[in-house]
Amino acid sequence: EAQLVESGGGLVKPGGSLRLACAASGFSFTNAWMSWVRQAPGKGLEWVGRIKDKADSATTDYAAPVKGRFTISRDDSINTLYLQINSLRTEDTAVYYCTAGSAYHLKYWGQGTLVTVSS
Amino acid sequence: DIVLTQSPGTLSLSPGERATLSCRAAQSVSSSYLAWYQQKPGQAPRLLIYGASSRATGIPDRFSGSGSGTDFTLTISRLEPEDSAVYFCQQYGNSPPYTFGQGTKLEIK
Repeated sequence: EAQLVESGGGLVKPGGSLRLACAASGFSFTNAWMSWVRQAPGKGLEWVGRIKDKADSATTDYAAPVKGRFTISRDDSINTLYLQINSLRTEDTAVYYCTAGSAYHLKYWGQGTLVTVSS
Repeated sequence: DIVLTQSPGTLSLSPGERATLSCRAAQSVSSSYLAWYQQKPGQAPRLLIYGASSRATGIPDRFSGSGSGTDFTLTISRLEPEDSAVYFCQQYGNSPPYTFGQGTKLEIK
């Protein structure tokens, strides 16, 4: 059974940094395109960024609101996905979900980790 | 960005009834690139339908997807109390790769 477990969320001040991690198991992480999706409290889903698999050069793409501040990376040796978040803003407050899937849809989701940006 | 608009915003139905949820795209979307997700309170979203009409693993056949071009539909026949959730549609495009509709909240009376 596929499982994604996020960690690293918490309370951080505006301008601060955080690194989220996502441990994957039960599917071929090496061949998966991984994305981060966030959901602000009481709001809808917002795609944050994606990293392709090694065969596609582990290319990354980011949503416009986070480009230049967020960095996605992966360590296939330990089946782990990362999201480095810098220059945090209050509007970045959300539950951050790790997802895995094909190019076209998001098949597996983690339970999410809450990031709260507040002074 | 391709904007997805879902309707209605909220739907209130009784067990055993049929629910019809709409997702309209501002531009034509390939059927291969349209998916639906279910999110129950306090839980992560779950993939229901991909490729507009293919059910994901373990999804009951009460859930079906249809549509093409700019109009897509998620139908839930024979509603059960556990179907109470928010449903999101999602499309795959070039930039950004994934956009979501704003969601339809389904309440089971």
